[in-house]
Amino acid sequence: DVKVTQSSRYLVKRTGEKVFLECVQDMDHENMFWYRQDPGLGLRLIYFSYDVKMKEKGDIPEGYSVSREKKERFSLILESASTNQTSMYLCASSFWTGGEGSNQPQHFGDGTRLSIL
Amino acid sequence: GQQVMQIPQYQHVQEGEDFTTYCNSSTTLSNIQWYKQRPGGHPVFLIQLVKSGEVKKQKRLTFQFGEAKKNSSLHITATQTTDVGTYFCAGQNSNYQLIWGAGTKLIIKP
Repeated sequence: DVKVTQSSRYLVKRTGEKVFLECVQDMDHENMFWYRQDPGLGLRLIYFSYDVKMKEKGDIPEGYSVSREKKERFSLILESASTNQTSMYLCASSFWTGGEGSNQPQHFGDGTRLSIL
Repeated sequence: GQQVMQIPQYQHVQEGEDFTTYCNSSTTLSNIQWYKQRPGGHPVFLIQLVKSGEVKKQKRLTFQFGEAKKNSSLHITATQTTDVGTYFCAGQNSNYQLIWGAGTKLIIKP
């Protein structure tokens, strides 16, 4: 089974702090994603990466950055945390195969519930 | 930007009743995926539809992809308590990005 591991299940930080959320997958997936999930808004894509050192902005990248130095690890960074970044953060990974079925199923971690005080 | 509208946001049913959620896109999708998220859990992939007019079944769940590849539905027959959760559709656009619906929360009344 695919395993996507997020470093923390719950995290509490203060406004202005730099926050690192880590995600590791063990299936050699090319694609990795960071989402935030808020009630009534579904999943919103923050950033994604389709290869090592490659990154693409999603729908809501403002206030976030990412790092992918190794294929299995994708980090989300909140440069200066603010209270409106309090949310559930989900990491996901998938294969890339190209063509019409190119978006293969995404496998999610358990999520990190981040509170910014 | 491109959106996939998913309705309803919530649906309350009695156990044993049917449940349906619908997704509509303004543009043609290459394929559509469906996920289920149990309360307190993370989204789990259910199925992917690729062909126009495709219908797939998983036990009591029936998934359809419209002829124009702009809409999709998930129908659950005779709901059970294990069906509780939020169901998401996610459509792939021409830029190979997945566009997520906002989800439909299935609530089963005791």
